[in-house]
Amino acid sequence: GAVVSQHPSRVICKSGTSVKIECRSLDFQATTMFWYRQFPKQSLMLMATSNEGSKATYEQGVEKDKFLINHASLTLSTLTVTSAHPEDSSFYICSAYLAGGRNEQFFGPGTRLTVL
Amino acid sequence: GNSVTQMEGPVTLSEEAFLTINCTYTATGYPSLFWYVQYPGEGLQLLLKATKADDKGSNKGFEATYRKETTSFHLEKGSVQVSDSAVYFCALRGYTGNQFYFGTGTSLTVIP
Repeated sequence: GAVVSQHPSRVICKSGTSVKIECRSLDFQATTMFWYRQFPKQSLMLMATSNEGSKATYEQGVEKDKFLINHASLTLSTLTVTSAHPEDSSFYICSAYLAGGRNEQFFGPGTRLTVL
Repeated sequence: GNSVTQMEGPVTLSEEAFLTINCTYTATGYPSLFWYVQYPGEGLQLLLKATKADDKGSNKGFEATYRKETTSFHLEKGSVQVSDSAVYFCALRGYTGNQFYFGTGTSLTVIP
């Protein structure tokens, strides 16, 4: 149980286009999901906290107009990278928080974004 | 505030060697502590956790003990295998809230 999926797993796009990444909790409801960015050989950088039905909370230095987050249901959060540039190329990972007794984050497999 | 300091890598060991990856933390209150593992090209998987002082988390031969007096949660394994090659992340979840704080990750390579 507690599986999180991400789609797509890999995407290549042209500079200036927008890309949407989906994060789904498959077998549990997640009121909170997190979006991370991971650079090669580095740790996860928390980008934003996504709460179902409300606006996302962005970390300092993350452009909210560039990285649009929507958490419209208890099992789905989306991250849209708008007007992508090559420097946005990265590995994006989401996680879903399972509250209650376990109080754990479950991570998606990640999405590799390459902007040409 | 909350933070995690993790031993820098990369670490290269021969198969069956003993592994220690150091992790110390700073937190207010009583955090929960975690080790996550990331295999090449994949997302993070929970390896083990401990939720209170003196708890020992264990899984797949890995162990870590929550030491409040030294604010540490070092990861150990008595005999590593090639399949253990991965990046290991130490993390904490604060006493309040559900945000996680990650260390910088330690890359482990086990050679036959």
